Amino acid sequence: GESVGLHLPTLSVQEGDNSIINCAYSNSASDYFIWYKQESGKGPQFIIDIRSNMDKRQGQRVTVLLNKTVKHLSLQIAATQPGDSAVYFCADSTGNQFYFGTGTSLTVIP
Amino acid sequence: GAGVSQSPRYKVTKRGQDVALRCDPISGHVSLYWYRQALGQGPEFLTYFNYEAQQDKSGLPNDRFSAERPEGSISTLTIQRTEQRDSAMYRCASSPPWRGRGDAETQYFGPGTRLLVL
Repeated sequence: GESVGLHLPTLSVQEGDNSIINCAYSNSASDYFIWYKQESGKGPQFIIDIRSNMDKRQGQRVTVLLNKTVKHLSLQIAATQPGDSAVYFCADSTGNQFYFGTGTSLTVIP
Repeated sequence: GAGVSQSPRYKVTKRGQDVALRCDPISGHVSLYWYRQALGQGPEFLTYFNYEAQQDKSGLPNDRFSAERPEGSISTLTIQRTEQRDSAMYRCASSPPWRGRGDAETQYFGPGTRLLVL
């Protein structure tokens, strides 16, 4: 089986600071990666994705970096806000099967 | 527009009973996925459909679990002879047709059905 794991289970950041959430994956054949945000009591919400032919992709306040050499994925959140507090999951995919990591709980300190 | 809906939102059942969980995807979405999510864990893939065809069921834990999507829209996940270890949040996600560009399909998740087997 595949494993997608997160380095840190919890992360606390001051409001306004940048957040970096890391993720490692094990399947070198994975070609599509997604970050999801899950707030308490809700389903995962898509944040940003990246294909294996890219190493960086930017969205609104978020950037995903992909390092295929070491099979590492990171999510950067700029100017973190209280509304960013949630659990963040990375997922990798080969074909149509998606594998999720355990999740990192981000807490934003006002 | 309406998102993915699931019913029931909560289901409590006794061990040995059968349960059927329903997913109503976003209109026009071709692909439908079922996941199981334990508390504090990421979603675990169970199965997925393209239209009415079940493309991959390798994530179903055993033969007590089955899923169908007979008309390519609503899907039902059935668990027969439930066991306590089946207790979890069951989530459904759907995604639109492949657009043929660099962007891959985005999955939209439903609110989930929390199943508790006593």
